[in-house]
Amino acid sequence: GAGVSQSPRYKVTKRGQDVTLRCDPISSHATLYWYQQALGQGPEFLTYFNYEAQPDKSGLPSDRFSAERPEGSISTLTIQRTEQRDSAMYRCASSSLGTLGTGELFFGEGSRLTVL
Amino acid sequence: QQPVQSPQAVILREGEDAVINCSSSKALYSVHWYRQKHGEAPVFLMILLKGGEQKGHEKISASFNEKKQQSSLYLTASQLSYSGTYFCGTKEAGNQFYFGTGTSLTVIP
Repeated sequence: GAGVSQSPRYKVTKRGQDVTLRCDPISSHATLYWYQQALGQGPEFLTYFNYEAQPDKSGLPSDRFSAERPEGSISTLTIQRTEQRDSAMYRCASSSLGTLGTGELFFGEGSRLTVL
Repeated sequence: QQPVQSPQAVILREGEDAVINCSSSKALYSVHWYRQKHGEAPVFLMILLKGGEQKGHEKISASFNEKKQQSSLYLTASQLSYSGTYFCGTKEAGNQFYFGTGTSLTVIP
């Protein structure tokens, strides 16, 4: 698409429920990032993909968090057994896979998750 | 892995200048600068590559010293529209991208 699209924009769930957030990146972009941003804080790296490969999951807070990008385009971030501390804005960004040192990140509008 | 920025917050009057610093403990391939306004997504300002070059964007410029693993953002003759939180971002060898701790900038009339 023309820009990065995320859905849902807002999600309210009860503790213990599973949630899945979706990101549709710019169609020509090979690299996709997921970030968690708490109120008043900067974006915290969760994971990223180069096409469908996921080279680094080190930022995922626990094994309740997982991400997929099976066909190298749309990605989902799933949080199982949600906890109140998972409440945050989840941001997706995409960039072109150029040579090292290039590729600005284009962000979606984010998905705000509230766990009650 | 997360770059450290200083200062954490700064308040300026219109027309004043400011410098925001970004420092990393890891070797950097590039440094990006982004500005985020309240309730919005971060917006790209500029990229700096290895070579110590300085780039400019309107009255905002930046430098990158890869030997010191540091970058600085310079805002001159600040305008009200410059208010927001500024983040540096660093790209490492594996294409991971980490944002800095952030600097809140408020410009007042």
